[in-house]
Amino acid sequence: GQSLEQPSEVTAVEGAIVQINCTYQTSGFYGLSWYQQHDGGAPTFLSYNALDGLEETGRFSSFLSRSDSYGYLLLQELQMKDSASYFCAVRSGYSGAGSYQLTFGKGTKLSVIP
Amino acid sequence: EAGVVQSPRYKIIEKKQPVAFWCNPISGHNTLYWYRQNLGQGPELLIRYENEEAVDDSQLPKDRFSAERLKGVDSTLKIQPAELGDSAVYLCASSHSPVGEQYFGPGTRLTVT
Repeated sequence: GQSLEQPSEVTAVEGAIVQINCTYQTSGFYGLSWYQQHDGGAPTFLSYNALDGLEETGRFSSFLSRSDSYGYLLLQELQMKDSASYFCAVRSGYSGAGSYQLTFGKGTKLSVIP
Repeated sequence: EAGVVQSPRYKIIEKKQPVAFWCNPISGHNTLYWYRQNLGQGPELLIRYENEEAVDDSQLPKDRFSAERLKGVDSTLKIQPAELGDSAVYLCASSHSPVGEQYFGPGTRLTVT
């Protein structure tokens, strides 16, 4: 089966940098995605890593180490609007299937304080 | 481009009553997903459609849940009869292809009393 671990809550100060870690166990691993979800809102895609290394998109960066089954989301220059839940999600499937399954972690609730 | 549309946004029903949720995916997206999200948890897949065919319904509780996607566009998820444990947010997502990124709707928050 699939399992993901990420911290349940993180608090950080406005303007600071925060890192949200995610470890996973899975078979048929394709890559690791990150989603943001504000209270009452839809999960919104942030990033996807299929290969080892760092992907940067504006203030957000995501990292993956396939050998360590580990990834993280890095948020820089935190703003109050970044207060939300962040989910890591594993894309997994089977060679030749032409599709994937998305399995979510339980989410990390980020609170940005002044 | 319009996003995934879901209705209703909120629904309160008594246990043993039926309930239905509707989803309109992004135009041109052939793959449609229904997820359930319990409080404090991540979304969990219930069923995936490729056009009008349900290709993965292994996590759908078939004794009370049913879904359809006639004509391969809109989809309806039904629960009959509802139980207290069905209280959750039901999310619909769509993607252009089976390997494309998934885009989520705002969900329907169901409360069963």
